[in-house]
Amino acid sequence: DVQLVESGGGLVQPGGSLRLSCAASGFSFSSFSMTWVRQAPGKGLEWVANINEDGGKQYYADSVKGRFTISRDNAKNSLYLQMNSLRAEDTAVYYCARGINSEPWGQGTLVTVSS
Amino acid sequence: DVVMTQSPLSLPVTLGQPASISCRSSQSLVSIDGNTYFNWFQQRPGQSPRRLIYKVSYRDSGVPDRFSGSGSGTDFTLTISRVEAEDVGVYYCMQATHWPQTFGQGTKLEIK
Repeated sequence: DVQLVESGGGLVQPGGSLRLSCAASGFSFSSFSMTWVRQAPGKGLEWVANINEDGGKQYYADSVKGRFTISRDNAKNSLYLQMNSLRAEDTAVYYCARGINSEPWGQGTLVTVSS
Repeated sequence: DVVMTQSPLSLPVTLGQPASISCRSSQSLVSIDGNTYFNWFQQRPGQSPRRLIYKVSYRDSGVPDRFSGSGSGTDFTLTISRVEAEDVGVYYCMQATHWPQTFGQGTKLEIK
């Protein structure tokens, strides 16, 4: 079965950093682009970033550009999101998803930015 | 960015009755390769989103055939032929033809 498991969320102060991970299994990870999507409490879905199959191309939402970095390690079947200069408005559940058409999704990891 | 506009935002439905959700994009979603990268997602309460429909009308594996997608260009529809209790949740449209990928606001389906 295809599975995506996020980790690394938690409580962080404004201006702080956090690194999210997404462990993939059940499919050929290096053959798919990967996506991060977030959902603020009680709100809708917001695309955050995407990385292509070999990690050579990354795309970001304007709201996170310059602060977040998406990366991957195909040898470890893992996707990452390095989040710096965090703001209160970055508080959300962060999901990883396979492909630009996003299927399937992981269970999500909650990031809370608060003092 | 492509704006995705869903309607209605709230959809009360009687069990066994049909339901439909509309999604309109601010520009055509036909890609230069001829495909239309338009998807529908379901998010049940307390769960992660799950894709139901991809490329306008193709059902994902395991999705009941009471769900169907239609449309073209800028206008798309998700139809549930007979609503069941397990269909309660929020439904999102999403386009992946143009960067960045964008989602609709979500339509909350509830049982009357």
